Amino acid sequence: NAGVMQNPRHLVRRRGQEARLRCSPMKGHSHVYWYRQLPEEGLKFMVYLQKENIIDESGMPKERFSAEFPKEGPSILRIQQVVRGDSAAYFCASSPVRTGGSGELFFGEGSRLTVL
Amino acid sequence: DAKTTQPPSMDCAEGRAANLPCNHSTISGNEYVYWYRQIHSQGPQYIIHGLKNNETNEMASLIITEDRKSSTLILPHATLRDTAVYYCIVRVGPSAGNTGKLIFGQGTTLQVKP
Repeated sequence: NAGVMQNPRHLVRRRGQEARLRCSPMKGHSHVYWYRQLPEEGLKFMVYLQKENIIDESGMPKERFSAEFPKEGPSILRIQQVVRGDSAAYFCASSPVRTGGSGELFFGEGSRLTVL
Repeated sequence: DAKTTQPPSMDCAEGRAANLPCNHSTISGNEYVYWYRQIHSQGPQYIIHGLKNNETNEMASLIITEDRKSSTLILPHATLRDTAVYYCIVRVGPSAGNTGKLIFGQGTTLQVKP
């Protein structure tokens, strides 16, 4: 059973370009979470999605960032007009159900974005 | 979700037990205690979780005090591969409006030394 798959693992963009990060959850999982980790900092929650719905986007920057989880295909985190401060590791996690108390989130290995 | 307090760093000798403390004095009755770890730049890895009772699995043991205001994660025989940042997180149980997201603090950096 494959784990959470993220790609690309490494992405280099110039300022002003767009970055698209993809996350395929574990088989049978319909809940996806995105986290960002700036260099030498902790993990920060960004957004929680279910299929075709954004449930909680309280951690998303107000501009340039968007996320989707379509009925078919992976979840996409999109960053428009990237700036150097967007350079970070972006982690995706999935869960099979709304894991309020039991169960856990399964994390991918992350996508590392470098903005030149 | 309740706030947790962890020491920023700890050392442990290889082969010895590593005991990582966590304070969560404002924990409420329906909040679980979760432990995750992040080995250098990898994705976080689930270790264990509990509500009231002590828990044990193949990776670790979780000891929760009777008043639930603190807990200890125990790695019984630490190896060099256990060097990582360990996160203690409390999170509410299933209820309407609970998204299930985890809020990570700064964690404890455990350095296992030969």
